[in-house]
Amino acid sequence: NAGVTQTPKFRVLKTGQSMTLLCAQDMNHEYMYWYRQDPGMGLRLIHYSVGEGTTAKGEVPDGYNVSRLKKQNFLLGLESAAPSQTSVYFCASSWTSGLDEQFFGPGTRLTVL
Amino acid sequence: GQQVMQIPQYQHVQEGEDFTTYCNSSTTLSNIQWYKQRPGGHPVFLIQLVKSGEVKKQKRLTFQFGEAKKNSSLHITATQTTDVGTYFCAGNTGQEGTSYGKLTFGQGTILTVHP
Repeated sequence: NAGVTQTPKFRVLKTGQSMTLLCAQDMNHEYMYWYRQDPGMGLRLIHYSVGEGTTAKGEVPDGYNVSRLKKQNFLLGLESAAPSQTSVYFCASSWTSGLDEQFFGPGTRLTVL
Repeated sequence: GQQVMQIPQYQHVQEGEDFTTYCNSSTTLSNIQWYKQRPGGHPVFLIQLVKSGEVKKQKRLTFQFGEAKKNSSLHITATQTTDVGTYFCAGNTGQEGTSYGKLTFGQGTILTVHP
């Protein structure tokens, strides 16, 4: 099993460009999450999903959109990238509730110039 | 909103010294999880604490959950170079229902071990 995979691993964007980050998990998990990690800020939740077809806002959702059309995939979109969105993005998944451990993907390092 | 504060932000130790990181929440937690992230890597789950006053051990690592379920600590005895990384606590205040699946992560403690 691959666990949680993320595509791409690295990306450089210019301000105003758009892109989609793809997360895939092969563990049949219901819950999926998108976090961003910035120095000194820990991991901050952007959006999450409690099942196929559902999404919800996390702590820092502005400037991002998500979709969960298939249970195994969770997409994070940036419609108009800004330098403040330069970060490392991690996807995670878990079986169900907050009592379950989260499995993280390898991360995507995004730079917005 | 819920805050989970973690201290210290950085800790430099000599190999063989002990290390402790502390996590404090502004609200009562349902449970707390601890993760380790190696340099350049992704967070990996270490352990979960659920009960008030709970203590769990994994070899040289000791995890505690406070009686009021608002604080937690991770203690490493006799650090080794393999312990290098960032240690995160993550607290869950959710009741069964809409917010039950969300964890709030602390800022992390970056541990450096000098050989």
